Amino acid sequence: GAGVSQSPSNKVTEKGKDVELRCDPISGHTALYWYRQSLGQGLEFLIYFQGNSAPDKSGLPSDRFSAERTGGSVSTLTIQRTQQEDSAVYLCASSLASPSETQYFGPGTRLLVL
Amino acid sequence: GQNIDQPTEMTATEGAIVQINCTYQTSGFNGLFWYQQHAGEAPTFLSYNVLDGLEEKGRFSSFLSRSKGYSYLLLKELQMKDSASYLCAVRPDRGSTLGRLYFGRGTQLTVWP
Repeated sequence: GAGVSQSPSNKVTEKGKDVELRCDPISGHTALYWYRQSLGQGLEFLIYFQGNSAPDKSGLPSDRFSAERTGGSVSTLTIQRTQQEDSAVYLCASSLASPSETQYFGPGTRLLVL
Repeated sequence: GQNIDQPTEMTATEGAIVQINCTYQTSGFNGLFWYQQHAGEAPTFLSYNVLDGLEEKGRFSSFLSRSKGYSYLLLKELQMKDSASYLCAVRPDRGSTLGRLYFGRGTQLTVWP
């Protein structure tokens, strides 16, 4: 079956521009997570959705970052007024109904802010 | 805060056994995960421990000691394709943070012929 998919796979943007990153979770997975992986760093949690609501958005690094999920499926992570320090790989993961289930990751979006 | 420590790099030869250690100090504990990540690819799930002891799955085994805040991943009969980064992650057990995983920085394993 299909795994978690993300688009675009790569994104190069100029400082100050807005970007949108998309995640399609595994079919039937109601929990969805966004993480960020910077060079030489561990995965950093950003936000977690259960259905369309986000019980934990405490990992978002600033108010330039926002995320939404519609229809209990696709999620979009938006970064406004991008900065060079936003350059990283943005990973999405999904799991079955309970957040205690294993998280399965997508291939990520590699974002480079020039 | 949460702290997950694992070695940065390890090397081993094909056919050998390697043990990758992970120590953690977290505000709660509801399971420890190991993931494998090849360069440029998604992390893939390897193992999950929530109770003390050893979980074996083919060439891979994972051990947990909750009292010591310690886990290891054991890889046997190493193959070249095992060259990858191995990520240790802990899931806390506290209210709305139940979904979040805390990750170590990963251990880059290089397998030589």
